[in-house]
Amino acid sequence: AQSVTQLGSHVSVSEGALVLLRCNYSSSVPPYLFWYVQYPNQGLQLLLKYTSAATLVKGINGFEAEFKKSETSFHLTKPSAHMSDAAEYFCAVSWAAGTALIFGKGTTLSVSS
Amino acid sequence: DGGITQSPKYLFRKEGQNVTLSCEQNLNHDAMYWYRQDPGQGLRLIYYSQIVNDFQKGDIAEGYSVSREKKESFPLTVTSAQKNPTAFYLCASSAGGGTHHRELFFGEGSRLTVL
Repeated sequence: AQSVTQLGSHVSVSEGALVLLRCNYSSSVPPYLFWYVQYPNQGLQLLLKYTSAATLVKGINGFEAEFKKSETSFHLTKPSAHMSDAAEYFCAVSWAAGTALIFGKGTTLSVSS
Repeated sequence: DGGITQSPKYLFRKEGQNVTLSCEQNLNHDAMYWYRQDPGQGLRLIYYSQIVNDFQKGDIAEGYSVSREKKESFPLTVTSAQKNPTAFYLCASSAGGGTHHRELFFGEGSRLTVL
């Protein structure tokens, strides 16, 4: 079965440090890829999405992600973490028309001062 | 102001009772979805609907039912057959039900607790 894996259920960084959240997908067929952010007791908000136009995708709040087909990865990065970035982050994948997104299990990002 | 409205935000239920969670959208989206979220489990798909009067089971549909009588509305009923219903439920919608590169827009969620 096709799947998406987020490595690391919890990532901790210091304010100002690089943020790297990892996402790998299971199929060699390039999918459409998404990163979402969720703050406590709220719904999910789209950070960015990859739809084959460009391999480096820039999103909101200074986040970006790079699609690497050879590594089947779509890791999320931000050069300098801010306290307000503390949240849960979900990678999601879609392979076929008419189907729903498949979500990873999420990575909780903690930012310390 | 367009968006997705879920209600109630918090709901308590006694064992053996059915409850219905409301989801309304004014984004004119064709597709709507229900996900269940448990700690450490990510989001798991319960049901989705690409068009009015049609819906499909997701990965964990047992113990749940839905209807899609109007484009704007996609209510979810958690029945007494659902063995472990305590969870955070998220409704979402997307434009272009037949395509798969459209992002999902989410409501604020409904937290159901079974007493």
